[in-house]
Amino acid sequence: AQTVTQSQPEMSVQEAETVTLSCTYDTSESDYYLFWYKQPPSRQMILVIRQEAYKQQNATENRFSVNFQKAAKSFSLKISDSQLGDAAMYFCAYRSAFAGANSKLTFGKGITLSVRP
Amino acid sequence: GAGVSQSPSNKVTEKGKDVELRCDPISGHTALYWYRQSLGQGLEFLIYFQGNSAPDKSGLPSDRFSAERTGGSVSTLTIQRTQQEDSAVYLCASSRRGGTEIYYEQYFGPGTRLTVT
Repeated sequence: AQTVTQSQPEMSVQEAETVTLSCTYDTSESDYYLFWYKQPPSRQMILVIRQEAYKQQNATENRFSVNFQKAAKSFSLKISDSQLGDAAMYFCAYRSAFAGANSKLTFGKGITLSVRP
Repeated sequence: GAGVSQSPSNKVTEKGKDVELRCDPISGHTALYWYRQSLGQGLEFLIYFQGNSAPDKSGLPSDRFSAERTGGSVSTLTIQRTQQEDSAVYLCASSRRGGTEIYYEQYFGPGTRLTVT
């Protein structure tokens, strides 16, 4: 079974600064997807960024980028130029790409990010 | 277009009562997922539907939990004889298709917060 670990329950960042959220995972599969989701107080889960395991290039979406280290099974999220609207809970998640598996997501326990004005 | 909707938004029930939680997926999405978000356990997968069938029920925590999906659209999660440990946010997600051969994004609803007193 796959597991996702987010060891930092909370982090804080100054507005306009950069913050990195950590995530590690464990799997015996070679093909999979990794995600970062944002959950604001409205509870609506929003996909921030996706990484395919077969791609060596790190994914980037505007101010959000990842550092994907497949051998180390590490997947961190970097938020640049932090904004007040980035304050939320962030979840790291895993999904198999193995043919025949179902596409359920396995989540870490999340990290609460606060942004100081 | 309309996103995933869930009702009710909040539900307070007495221990021992039955509750029904509803999920309306995005029109045309054949795959539907239920997840549970609780303080102690984080975000957990409960059940996955492809059309009206549920090929993966492995996350349902006990036989008090059941779910159905009719007409390949609306899904209902039923919890019988509720216990205090059932208190959580129940999230529903849908995607165009299930399976893993092709990536389809999961879109989440706002969740139902269930409180068992």
